[in-house]
Amino acid sequence: GENVEQHPSTLSVQEGDSAVIKCTYSDSASNYFPWYKQELGKRPQLIIDIRSNVGEKKDQRIAVTLNKTAKHFSLHITETQPEDSAVYFCAANTGGFKTIFGAGTRLFVKA
Amino acid sequence: EAGVAQSPRYKIIEKRQSVAFWCNPISGHATLYWYQQILGQGPKLLIQFQNNGVVDDSQLPKDRFSAERLKGVDSTLKIQPAKLEDSAVYLCASTTVANTGELFFGEGSRLTVL
Repeated sequence: GENVEQHPSTLSVQEGDSAVIKCTYSDSASNYFPWYKQELGKRPQLIIDIRSNVGEKKDQRIAVTLNKTAKHFSLHITETQPEDSAVYFCAANTGGFKTIFGAGTRLFVKA
Repeated sequence: EAGVAQSPRYKIIEKRQSVAFWCNPISGHATLYWYQQILGQGPKLLIQFQNNGVVDDSQLPKDRFSAERLKGVDSTLKIQPAKLEDSAVYLCASTTVANTGELFFGEGSRLTVL
């Protein structure tokens, strides 16, 4: 079955710096890659996603890149702000609406 | 649009007791999931329903966990008997049949087993 690995587990950056989180997946049939943000005690919420026919997608300060050949994808957050502090999860979906999550990255943005 | 509703939000039980969690998905969402999120980990898929049929329950510990989705709407997840390692947040999520794949999560039910 699908396996998703995520790195780093913890990331600390200074406000205004960029943050990058990387994930790899195992199932070459995966075709949809969402990223979820989970604030403390809250539900995970989708922040950006990318499909396998696209290499990069951007939404304001957030961008995601996908390398299908290498089976890895990354989340890039620019100009980080304290409110970006949260746990971020990457995930992979094989098209059967079965979404497998990575272990998460705890991002700390220091003011 | 109302979100995914879950109850109870918190539950504390002793090991070997039983517990049940309820989920009401977003109206019209045919696909429903139960995830287990242990503290510090990512959500782990337990079971996936399409309408009232089970699509995937390969990760569900069937000796103690059971789930049903009668009439293809509400769902109940039961644990009997509970073990200490079942302490986690149980997240329910739903999605439409032909959507982007985005999951809409409920607030979760936090279970503590003593």
